[in-house]
Amino acid sequence: AQTVTQSQPEMSVQEAETVTLSCTYDTSESDYYLFWYKQPPSRQMILVIRQEAYKQQNATENRFSVNFQKAAKSFSLKISDSQLGDAAMYFCAYRSYYGGANSKLTFGKGITLSVRP
Amino acid sequence: GAVVSQHPSRVICKSGTSVKIECRSLDFQATTMFWYRQFPKQSLMLMATSNEGSKATYEQGVEKDKFLINHASLTLSTLTVTSAHPEDSSFYICSAASGATSGNTIYFGEGSWLTVV
Repeated sequence: AQTVTQSQPEMSVQEAETVTLSCTYDTSESDYYLFWYKQPPSRQMILVIRQEAYKQQNATENRFSVNFQKAAKSFSLKISDSQLGDAAMYFCAYRSYYGGANSKLTFGKGITLSVRP
Repeated sequence: GAVVSQHPSRVICKSGTSVKIECRSLDFQATTMFWYRQFPKQSLMLMATSNEGSKATYEQGVEKDKFLINHASLTLSTLTVTSAHPEDSSFYICSAASGATSGNTIYFGEGSWLTVV
């Protein structure tokens, strides 16, 4: 079974600064997908970024980028130019390539990010 | 982008009664839908995976007779909490997977707050 570990329960960042959220995972599979989801106080789950394991290039979405280290099974999220609206709970998630549409997301425990004005 | 609608967003019911939560994919056909439960400041806990026209697959420890899941069409899945008790009070989230492969995006509903009094 796959596991996702987010060891930092909380982090804080100054507005306009950069912060990195850590995530490690464990799997014996070679093909999979990794995700970062944001859950603001509204509780709506919002996809921030996704990474396909077969791609060596790190995914980037505007101010959000990842550092994907497949051998180390590490998948960290970097938020640049932090904004007040980035304050939320962030979940790292794994999805197996196998299993098709039934392949479920395995979530980490999440990290609460606060942004200081 | 694709939208998943969940209804009701908040519901209060009396202990011993049943309550139904709906999850609809508005602009795509959802081969698979997932139901989660989330406690405050915790991660999402997968309850079950449902496929249209089939019996849901429940995660270990989830009472299938208490949490009835029906996936009657490719756009609608329902979760019925039967004989609800105060300990069933929680935030319930559904998600829907489009397409047949694990590479397709999973979209989340807005979630439903259930309070059992």
